[in-house]
Parts: sequence; structure tokens; C-alpha cells
Amino acid sequence: DGGITQSPKYLFRKEGQNVTLSCEQNLNHDAMYWYRQDPGQGLRLIYYSQIVNDFQKGDIAEGYSVSREKKESFPLTVTSAQKNPTAFYLCASSIERDGPYNEQFFGPGTRLTVL
Amino acid sequence: AQTVTQSQPEMSVQEAETVTLSCTYDTSESDYYLFWYKQPPSRQMILVIRQEAYKQQNATENRFSVNFQKAAKSFSLKISDSQLGDAAMYFCAYSGGYQKVTFGIGTKLQVIP
Repeated sequence: DGGITQSPKYLFRKEGQNVTLSCEQNLNHDAMYWYRQDPGQGLRLIYYSQIVNDFQKGDIAEGYSVSREKKESFPLTVTSAQKNPTAFYLCASSIERDGPYNEQFFGPGTRLTVL
Repeated sequence: AQTVTQSQPEMSVQEAETVTLSCTYDTSESDYYLFWYKQPPSRQMILVIRQEAYKQQNATENRFSVNFQKAAKSFSLKISDSQLGDAAMYFCAYSGGYQKVTFGIGTKLQVIP
């Protein structure tokens, strides 16, 4: 079945450590996105990529980094520079390269907790 | 910048009854898409319904329908014959094409048996 997978489901990190969240899709979608979800704040865009080897900052990119070396993969690294990283992270993809007119398909999410 | 406002943090509805979730948005564009997404307790987001701004007819998907008022920039979701499985967070979202999707903060819907 086609879809988006995120791993791990739960992730614990010590302060000062970098950590990478995985996102893989087999939908052959061009565009991929990373969102952060906090209670009462909805979804906020961290980074997005409309094509391989290219990505753009979203609204809250500080303290995060991404790469898009393959069409199906869009990993997110939460660096030690991110001051409040504890949150739920959602990865999504959409078929349209030139704009998310079509629906976004979401992964199951990763819950990151900083100890 | 586009903004999406959901003014109802929580709503409740009796099973089999009808409920309407509100959403307003702000944009200067004439062509755009609006979405309602559902996030159940499993936290897996799924699309409920989509509306294209240039279409005057309101979108419907089985028990889900929208009331799209373009001039008022309003996009409400009506759920008919509510079921226990409808209990979830509902997010209204706006997409203006090349720009990113903007989400509202969500409305938590409780369905009372």
C-alpha cells in the first residue's frame, strides 16, 4: 500500500543532542513538508521541498535542518539550537510540484521529547 | 499573509445530530483551495473535504458538507448524522498555490452517545 511512514513513533533526546526524524513516501509525490504541532497552535510549517535537492524554509525553521537527496525521503534534523523541541512532528506530501492545490497526505507522526 | 481562524476551540454534538464547525480566512487572492482535515486520537491526519474557490457549488462528501461564502471569506463544515467515529480535532486549511498551506488552530469535536 502507498503511503507515508515516519520513524520512530516516539523519540527521546537529551538536551544538547541533535536528532533526526525519518520521513519516507512511496506515493511518487514531488512535494514534501514538515510540520510541528503544539497544543493550541495547530500545525506550523518548518520546511518544505517541491523537488529533489531543493527545499525552502517555512515559518519556524530556526533550529531545524532538512535534506532532499531522494524523491521519496525528506529527513528532518532537530539541532541543539532548537530551544523548545518537545512537540509532535508531522511529515506530509502532495502530488503538485507547483503548489499544494491537491490534498496533503500525512504520516503518523513522531513525538519528540527532550529530557 | 494568509490567516485562518477557527473560533471554536471545542464543540460537542449528540450522536445522530448535526453540527457545524466554523472557519474564516483572510486572503487577497481570487483563486485558492480550502480544506478540512480530521485528526482522530490516533493523530493520523486525513482529508475530509476540499473546496475550490472558483467553484460556487458547495462541496459534499457523504455526511460532510461545507458552506462556502467567498465574499464573507467563510468556510464552515457541517457534519450530519454524527457518529462516534467523528470525534476528533478538525483543522481548516487554506492553500493559495505556490504558497504554503496555512492551518487553523483546530476545533476539538466531542460526540456524545
